[in-house]
Amino acid sequence: SQTIHQWPATLVQPVGSPLSLECTVEGTSNPNLYWYRQAAGRGLQLLFYSVGIGQISSEVPQNLSASRPQDRQFILSSKKLLLSDSGFYLCAWSTGVGEQPQHFGDGTRLSIL
Amino acid sequence: GENVEQHPSTLSVQEGDSAVIKCTYSDSASNYFPWYKQELGKGPQLIIDIRSNVGEKKDQRIAVTLNKTAKHFSLHITETQPEDSAVYFCAATAIFGGGTSYGKLTFGQGTILTVHP
Repeated sequence: SQTIHQWPATLVQPVGSPLSLECTVEGTSNPNLYWYRQAAGRGLQLLFYSVGIGQISSEVPQNLSASRPQDRQFILSSKKLLLSDSGFYLCAWSTGVGEQPQHFGDGTRLSIL
Repeated sequence: GENVEQHPSTLSVQEGDSAVIKCTYSDSASNYFPWYKQELGKGPQLIIDIRSNVGEKKDQRIAVTLNKTAKHFSLHITETQPEDSAVYFCAATAIFGGGTSYGKLTFGQGTILTVHP
């Protein structure tokens, strides 16, 4: 069966520090991968999605970037964190372009001080 | 792009009662509508979904209805139990036919459901 892993589960970082969040999927090949941000009390906002290695689409202008160095690995990064980057970051996968449903990991709670 | 509105934002019911959450969408090209349940500190988990070629789908105590003409869909939970307490999200996307929302889920703002024993 397929599983998705995100780490770390929680992270506290100072303003201006770099960020690297990792997501890996097991049990499937060539998945679509997604990064979402969930602000407190709000729905999920799509940040990036990837249909293959090295292929990244950005949905909103922001301080973050994403990379996909391997088929089942998706990384969310920042060179300098802002206070507004605080939130709950979720990774998800689906079986292919346009395919649903999307399956979510358990997220990373990021707090910026 | 797609816009999804979800109501109510909070819903409190007694154990055994029914709960209904409603969503409307704006993009007529959307043809896939999932519902997710999110428990505290966890990622959303799919509980039921519906495609535009059917008007209703049921899975035990959970059902979803879709009205394509009015562009709205609803989640119905019968015989609620305390373990149903969570945040519920609706979403919409196009899984065929192209369009700007193709393959991208747009979520509603969520409903906090509390079931009192």
